[in-house]
Amino acid sequence: KAGVTQTPRYLIKTRGQQVTLSCSPISGHRSVSWYQQTPGQGLQFLFEYFSETQRNKGNFPGRFSGRQFSNSRSEMNVSTLELGDSALYLCASNPWGVTYEQYFGPGTRLTVT
Amino acid sequence: LAKTTQPISMDSYEGQEVNITCSHNNIATNDYITWYQQFPSQGPRFIIQGYKTKVTNEVASLFIPADRKSSTLSLPRVSLSDTAVYYCLVGEINNDMRFGAGTRLTVKP
Repeated sequence: KAGVTQTPRYLIKTRGQQVTLSCSPISGHRSVSWYQQTPGQGLQFLFEYFSETQRNKGNFPGRFSGRQFSNSRSEMNVSTLELGDSALYLCASNPWGVTYEQYFGPGTRLTVT
Repeated sequence: LAKTTQPISMDSYEGQEVNITCSHNNIATNDYITWYQQFPSQGPRFIIQGYKTKVTNEVASLFIPADRKSSTLSLPRVSLSDTAVYYCLVGEINNDMRFGAGTRLTVKP
């Protein structure tokens, strides 16, 4: 099976803009989670979607949002970008929806200038 | 959510067996234990998951004692390419999930 894919791989945005990142999970996986990784804060959980519903949400401001489509593909959106949003954004899919057996994509490197 | 404690870093040499222990004193009855490996600028890679006793796959073994308050990831005969950060997680995806700092393993020639 093909792995988790994320697009784009690299992105440069200006402060104040918004950005949309895309994730395609492994075929058959219905749960998709998003993470932000920075050198200072490490790997932080953003949210998790299962069957088009947000089931879990980490401690991030409302500028961070997401959605999942009927084919399980997911997008996350960050509005009003700040310099601190520069990070590696990772998407992971999960076959069962609740355990930590997740399969991560390569990530999207977002740089905010 | 069970809090986990791992060593911040470990050093080893090629060909040696490496054991990384994770403490999780308040693990819940239904919690599974999961380990990931991460290389720089890549997403974490699922290594192994277990509930009790011993689990083995082509990459590693996971040892879990009867009280399940700790677990040990065992990597046989490590090579330079095993240099990475290893994360231990306990439980399931929820609002409070944390990856923690992980254990930075450095394999030397």
